[in-house]
Amino acid sequence: EAQLVESGGGLVRRGGSLRLTCTASGFALGGHGMTWVRQAPGQGLEWLSYISETSKTKHYAASVKGRFVISRDNGKNSLYLEMNRLRDEDTAVYYCARRSGAGYEDVWGQGTLVTVSS
Amino acid sequence: QSVLTQPPSASGTPGQRVTISCSGSSSNIGSNIVNWFQQLPGTAPRLLIYENTQRPSGVPARFSGSKSGTSASLAISGLQSEDEADYYCAAWDDRLIGYVYGSGTKVTVL
Repeated sequence: EAQLVESGGGLVRRGGSLRLTCTASGFALGGHGMTWVRQAPGQGLEWLSYISETSKTKHYAASVKGRFVISRDNGKNSLYLEMNRLRDEDTAVYYCARRSGAGYEDVWGQGTLVTVSS
Repeated sequence: QSVLTQPPSASGTPGQRVTISCSGSSSNIGSNIVNWFQQLPGTAPRLLIYENTQRPSGVPARFSGSKSGTSASLAISGLQSEDEADYYCAAWDDRLIGYVYGSGTKVTVL
């Protein structure tokens, strides 16, 4: 069974940095594009970033472009999100998801909570 | 403000049909597939409908999707108590060069 597990969330000071990891099991990460999505408390889903199978293509939402960096290590079956210059509004549960070739997220992790505090 | 517009809430009694709309534009729904996600309270989102009308294995047949022009809809026929959840539409946006989600619709079973 394909599964994704996020880790690395926690409490971080405003302006600080944090790196999230998404570890895949039950499938080869290298065969899929991957995305990060977040959900602020009581709010809806917000797409953040996409990375293609070979890392050749990366896309970012305007809200995080220039501050967040998506990367992957297919050999380790892992996806990453490096988050810098964190703001209060970055407080959210962060999900990683597997993106099918046809363009939909078919496997989701359980999420990891990031809290930005002054 | 979400690029895709959904009603904030919808409700029905058990057995009723509930429909959720998702309104977009030519750069997203008008030119790309629409997907729908279900999020039960306290859980991660789950793919409910993909490629406008397709159901993944394990999704009950009472869920169906449609798309016309720059709008899409999700229908739940024969509403059940376990369908109480938040529902989100989503599509790639060619102008923003990113994926956009709807604002979400909370379905309540009365």
